[in-house]
Amino acid sequence: AQKVTQAQTEISVVEKEDVTLDCVYETRDTTYYLFWYKQPPSGELVFLIRRNSFDEQNEISGRYSWNFQKSTSSFNFTITASQVVDSAVYFCALSEASLLYNQGGKLIFGQGTELSVKP
Amino acid sequence: DTGVSQNPRHKITKRGQNVTFRCDPISEHNRLYWYRQTLGQGPEFLTYFQNEAQLEKSRLLSDRFSAERPKGSFSTLEIQRTEQGDSAMYLCASSLITTGQGAIVVYEQYFGPGTRLTVT
Repeated sequence: AQKVTQAQTEISVVEKEDVTLDCVYETRDTTYYLFWYKQPPSGELVFLIRRNSFDEQNEISGRYSWNFQKSTSSFNFTITASQVVDSAVYFCALSEASLLYNQGGKLIFGQGTELSVKP
Repeated sequence: DTGVSQNPRHKITKRGQNVTFRCDPISEHNRLYWYRQTLGQGPEFLTYFQNEAQLEKSRLLSDRFSAERPKGSFSTLEIQRTEQGDSAMYLCASSLITTGQGAIVVYEQYFGPGTRLTVT
């Protein structure tokens, strides 16, 4: 079964704190992709990162970093020195990719984590 | 490139009426997806097209829902005989997909602003 679990429904931090958003996934596939999206109060989903199952290197982009661990089926997202503009709902998503399953690249989303950064 | 656009942005309709939404994807993308999002939930997959062919439909998509993508460009999603449970945000996304050895290469999907449907 394909499933994405974001156990943290809401997180509240004060500006400049570091915060980590957890994502755990389940998949039957050996080839898959993981994504993070941001949904600010305006509502439009914004792509943040894409990672394939064969690349376990951690990635850093400015204040954002991602930790992918296949051994624990996790793909966690850390924001360093959070800012008020980071307030949004963040979604982790999975896409299976083997032609064996032919899932067509659809995204399976988690429930989302609502991050509130207070000044 | 203007991104993915959706029209209308908001639709209020009475139960039993038919509604149609339109999505214009990023022009060079070969995949177009429809999702539905209700309050407090992540988007749920409904259906997708590769060019003009509809290749998969979710079990969420009852027979009251139909989607088309004529000529592989824009897409429409129609809901017939709307019910209050259809109230949601309907999201369209587009992406590139290529095929490798035994697997597809999945690129990121770009989402439109959505159409918020309210059924009264």
